[in-house]
Amino acid sequence: GENVEQHPSTLSVQEGDSAVIKCTYSDSASNYFPWYKQELGKRPQLIIDIRSNVGEKKDQRIAVTLNKTAKHFSLHITETQPEDSAVYFCAASDGANNLFFGTGTRLTVIP
Amino acid sequence: EAEVAQSPRYKITEKSQAVAFWCDPISGHATLYWYRQILGQGPELLVQFQDESVVDDSQLPKDRFSAERLKGVDSTLKIQPAELGDSAMYLCASSYLAAANTGELFFGEGSRLTVL
Repeated sequence: GENVEQHPSTLSVQEGDSAVIKCTYSDSASNYFPWYKQELGKRPQLIIDIRSNVGEKKDQRIAVTLNKTAKHFSLHITETQPEDSAVYFCAASDGANNLFFGTGTRLTVIP
Repeated sequence: EAEVAQSPRYKITEKSQAVAFWCDPISGHATLYWYRQILGQGPELLVQFQDESVVDDSQLPKDRFSAERLKGVDSTLKIQPAELGDSAMYLCASSYLAAANTGELFFGEGSRLTVL
């Protein structure tokens, strides 16, 4: 089955700086890669996703890049703000029924 | 805005007791998922329903866990007997489309289980 690894497990940045979270996956058949944000005590929420036929996708300060050859994808947050502080999960879906999540990255934005 | 409802939010029980969690997905969402999230880890799928049918329960420990969605709407996840290792957050999610790679999963706020 699919194995998703996520790094780093914790990340602290100064407000206004950029943050990058990286994930690798093992199943070359995986074709959908969402990112979920989970604020403390709240439900995970989708923030951005990318499909395997696209190399990069942006939504305001958030971008995701995908390298199918290397089987890795990354989340980029620019101009970080305190409200970006949360746990971020990457995930990969193999086109069947399951979504495999990474172990999460706790991002702290220091004002 | 419609949300996935779960109850209870918190449950403390002793080992060997039975526990049950309830989930009401967003109206019109045919697909319902139960995930388990151990502290410090990502969610792991326990069971997926399409309407009232189980699509995937390969990771559900069937000796002690059971799940049902009798009328294809709300769902119940039961654990009997509970074990110490079951302490986790149990997340329910729903989606409009059938497969996990076709669109957003909408999560509930979860039910946090502590087994003493």
